Amino acid sequence: TQLLEQSPQFLSIQEGENLTVYCNSSSVFSSLQWYRQEPGEGPVLLVTVVTGGEVKKLKRLTFQFGDARKDSSLHITAAQPGDTGLYLCAGVAWDSNYQLIWGAGTKLIIKP
Amino acid sequence: EADIYQTPRYLVIGTGKKITLECSQTMGHDKMYWYQQDPGMELHLIHYSYGVNSTEKGDLSSESTVSRIRTEHFPLTLESARPSHTSQYLCASSELAGNTGELFFGEGSRLTVL
Repeated sequence: TQLLEQSPQFLSIQEGENLTVYCNSSSVFSSLQWYRQEPGEGPVLLVTVVTGGEVKKLKRLTFQFGDARKDSSLHITAAQPGDTGLYLCAGVAWDSNYQLIWGAGTKLIIKP
Repeated sequence: EADIYQTPRYLVIGTGKKITLECSQTMGHDKMYWYQQDPGMELHLIHYSYGVNSTEKGDLSSESTVSRIRTEHFPLTLESARPSHTSQYLCASSELAGNTGELFFGEGSRLTVL
């Protein structure tokens, strides 16, 4: 069974702090996606990483794909209340016929 | 902005009732999906479709059925709802080609079976 483990499951921090969320697996992925889901909404894609070691930046969010393509991290600098939400990672495994393997998510709360 | 719509957004029904969750997308995507989402759990794929007249079961055993008569429409039906069906149901779509599997999601249908 292919699993994507996300940590932490829950994080509550003050506005202005930095944080990192992790997504780890023993499987190799051809690509990995990060989504953010706000209450009452569906997940929305933030970024896709496809190359081992790749780093992508989206304003204050920095995404990294591990060299071995088994893990990824999301770092938020100077978190804002608008960053509050459920962050989900999802990977496309080489032999999965492009079906996504999902992590259970990190619920992030940024307090003003 | 994604153009994929789900109705109803919220539904409370009694055990044994038949329900249909509607999902429509205007992006012309060939692939469509139904996921079940519960708090603290990963999204579970219950059905997907590669295009018209194509339906497949996902990795989560489900008593629901789906149909794909038109590209834009992918309804999910529960013939006899039970309390164990209480969950959030998410519909999504993607382009058939490409290897990144980017999904566009609807806002979800929250089902409560009493």
